[in-house]
Amino acid sequence: GQQLNQSPQSMFIQEGEDVSMNCTSSSIFNTWLWYKQEPGEGPVLLIALYKAGELTSNGRLTAQFGITRKDSFLNISASIPSDVGIYFCAGQGSGTYKYIFGTGTRLKVLA
Amino acid sequence: EAQVTQNPRYLITVTGKKLTVTCSQNMNHEYMSWYRQDPGLGLRQIYYSMNVEVTDKGDVPEGYKVSRKEKRNFPLILESPSPNQTSLYFCASSFTGYNSPLHFGNGTRLTVT
Repeated sequence: GQQLNQSPQSMFIQEGEDVSMNCTSSSIFNTWLWYKQEPGEGPVLLIALYKAGELTSNGRLTAQFGITRKDSFLNISASIPSDVGIYFCAGQGSGTYKYIFGTGTRLKVLA
Repeated sequence: EAQVTQNPRYLITVTGKKLTVTCSQNMNHEYMSWYRQDPGLGLRQIYYSMNVEVTDKGDVPEGYKVSRKEKRNFPLILESPSPNQTSLYFCASSFTGYNSPLHFGNGTRLTVT
């Protein structure tokens, strides 16, 4: 099946640093979702976006729905060790119930 | 607590022995879906259901069956499991399926020998 292009694939950062990752699509989406998945666990919803240009925060996390509707961005400010995990995006287009998932960004935080 | 519950969390079985993975949600969601997650392939949709008695194939439905007799339950059935169905499986639900975020269960790790 189709996957969204997500970058970077992995990141190693120092505690306290900010993190940015993004997802791009060749299709226009109406909904963007961002998830975090820890080893052996199910994906946990972080942020949902429904409108082009929308900027939404959840604590230290901020996500944006790109104005072209073909991309989305997730930022994590002042990273902490418990931010470790795999972050992935999901997008849904017009008139479909199907979500397309990103390839994931593996984040490691060095204390 | 609002949640999607899958059982079992871990399952080891042999080729050809029928099995069922259960999924239940307590959020009164209309839409439910099954995914498998494999390294390098990400999440792929197996089947989904828009509502009771309404199911449809996802991207990788071969070898799987589902049923939706009640709104809260959406079991995944493997009639004759094969080793290529060894994977991590997730059930997910959402309020309507469209413009509505997916909530995932904790996963079922299946090994078929």
